[in-house]
Amino acid sequence: NAGVTQTPKFRILKIGQSMTLQCTQDMNHNYMYWYRQDPGMGLKLIYYSVGAGITDKGEVPNGYNVSRSTTEDFPLRLELAAPSQTSVYFCASSQRVAGGADTQYFGPGTRLTVL
Amino acid sequence: AQSVSQHNHHVILSEAASLELGCNYSYGGTVNLFWYVQYPGQHLQLLLKYFSGDPLVKGIKGFEAEFIKSKFSFNLRKPSVQWSDTAEYFCAVNRNYGGSQGNLIFGKGTKLSVKP
Repeated sequence: NAGVTQTPKFRILKIGQSMTLQCTQDMNHNYMYWYRQDPGMGLKLIYYSVGAGITDKGEVPNGYNVSRSTTEDFPLRLELAAPSQTSVYFCASSQRVAGGADTQYFGPGTRLTVL
Repeated sequence: AQSVSQHNHHVILSEAASLELGCNYSYGGTVNLFWYVQYPGQHLQLLLKYFSGDPLVKGIKGFEAEFIKSKFSFNLRKPSVQWSDTAEYFCAVNRNYGGSQGNLIFGKGTKLSVKP
């Protein structure tokens, strides 16, 4: 299994441009997540999805959109890039079951710079 | 709001030294607790987790953590570190509602550098 894959690995955007960060998992997990990691700040949840067709906001959703049309894919869309969106973005997935503590599996990250 | 505090930003140790990384959380209810590790150039991966039972949890690569409910703490320990333990370590917590869980809240991370 490839696990969680993300593309691209690196990207430089100009202010106002848009782009989509791709995320795919091959573990048939029901939950998927997008986090951003800023230096010295840990990971902050942007959006998450509990299954195909269902998404919800996390702690820092402003400036982003997501969709989940299939179990495998969970793209993150930046519509009007701003310097504040310069960060490392991680996608993750997990199989959530009742009564447990699911392990999240992370992708390699996308390093995005907005100039 | 729920928060997770990791006391040390950067820890530097020599090989064979003992390690303890602090983690405290702010939520007073039932929680699940995690330590994730990110080795240089690699994905974040789970080191260990606690959700019920024995508060002393053993993870991969000789790591362990102890949940002390009265102190809201989940400190990570290893008796003897190796150069290969150089990585960034993240503590994370989510609320355990019995049949469901809340979203993970991460600490800011602790960078561990082990000198050979």
